[in-house]
Amino acid sequence: GDSVTQMEGPVTLSEEAFLTINCTYTATGYPSLFWYVQYPGEGLQLLLKATKADDKGSNKGFEATYRKETTSFHLEKGSVQVSDSAVYFCALRTGGFKTIFGAGTRLFVKA
Amino acid sequence: GAGVSQSPSNKVTEKGKDVELRCDPISGHTALYWYRQSLGQGLEFLIYFQGNSAPDKSGLPSDRFSAERTGGSVSTLTIQRTQQEDSAVYLCASSLLVVGVQGEQYFGPGTRLTVT
Repeated sequence: GDSVTQMEGPVTLSEEAFLTINCTYTATGYPSLFWYVQYPGEGLQLLLKATKADDKGSNKGFEATYRKETTSFHLEKGSVQVSDSAVYFCALRTGGFKTIFGAGTRLFVKA
Repeated sequence: GAGVSQSPSNKVTEKGKDVELRCDPISGHTALYWYRQSLGQGLEFLIYFQGNSAPDKSGLPSDRFSAERTGGSVSTLTIQRTQQEDSAVYLCASSLLVVGVQGEQYFGPGTRLTVT
């Protein structure tokens, strides 16, 4: 079945460091891909998405490119801030209404 | 406007008791979803509603779990004869459905269920 695998955390970075959180997927169709973020004490919210191959989703300085050849959707940010500390979830949806989530990666950013 | 709300925010129950978790979606959102987030795990899909009907119940882990939605709005997830493995955060989300296309899912803050 469809699945999402993302790198285990926690990831600890210093402020202004470069961030990469790896995400790969397995899907039978042509999924839409998502990154969700859960800030401490808050609900899950959509960070960015891409609906077809080679699309780049971006928001708040974060980017992810839909790579069909490597079945990947890695999340990147050039310079992280303390306020980016959160749990990040990679997810996919293939045509229906079920969204499959990865296990989440916790990011700590130190000042 | 108001976001998705869930109640209670925390629930501690004894093994074997029944619990009801409530979700109030964003007004006008026709689609509603329930997920479960266990410690260290991703979100596990439980059930999806379109209006009051549930076309996809495939994620319900056992027949102890059931859910209903009334008036195309509030939904209740019921867990009967709770077990310790039911302990998790239960998340609800809602979205618009426009011309058969699912919009962005908006999540509630979750209900943390602890079964002792």
